[in-house]
Amino acid sequence: EVQLVESGGGLVQPGGSLRLSCAASGFTFSSYWMSWVRQAPGKGLEWVANIKQDGSEKYYVDSVKGRFTISRDNAKNSLYLQMNSLRAEDTAVYYCARDQEAIAVAAYFDYWGQGTLVTVSS
Amino acid sequence: EIVLTQSPATLSLSPGERATLSCRASQSVSSYLAWYQQKPGQAPRLLIYDASNRATGIPARFSGSGSGTDFTLTISSLEPEDFAVYYCQQRSNWPPGGTFGQGTKVEIK
Repeated sequence: EVQLVESGGGLVQPGGSLRLSCAASGFTFSSYWMSWVRQAPGKGLEWVANIKQDGSEKYYVDSVKGRFTISRDNAKNSLYLQMNSLRAEDTAVYYCARDQEAIAVAAYFDYWGQGTLVTVSS
Repeated sequence: EIVLTQSPATLSLSPGERATLSCRASQSVSSYLAWYQQKPGQAPRLLIYDASNRATGIPARFSGSGSGTDFTLTISSLEPEDFAVYYCQQRSNWPPGGTFGQGTKVEIK
């Protein structure tokens, strides 16, 4: 059974940092592009970042470029999101999501974690 | 940036009725469009990909159609578990990533 379990969310002050983790199981993690998708309270979905199977390609939504870094450790079946210089508008539930296709890329998301809440507030 | 506009914002229907949800793109996305369902407190679930293909395990009452800029998600006969928020997502200009519509809430009338 495919499972994605996020952790690391919490309350942080504006300008602070946080590192999210996503533990994957039930599939060959190293074969899939992985993404972070967020959802502000009561709002819609926003793709944040993604990373290729071997970590050689990474992409970000404009609003987080230069502040967030996505990474992965295939030996540990884990995905990460390092978030620096956090702003109030980064407050959201952050989901880890798997690409639908192995090896290639579909850029659709067929498995999601339960999400972890990040609150940026003083 | 490709913008997806979903309509209506809210759809009030009764169980057994047919639901028709629309997603319009600001420019052509070919057939690179997906639909997701999200229930309160849950993660989204992939329903339809590449405009008309049902994802694994999705019931046949869900169907998708369209290409270019206009897309439709149809639920042929609403079941109680179908009342939720539905999002469309395009991947036409990948990389970097896809963009989502703002969502349509299907509520019980």
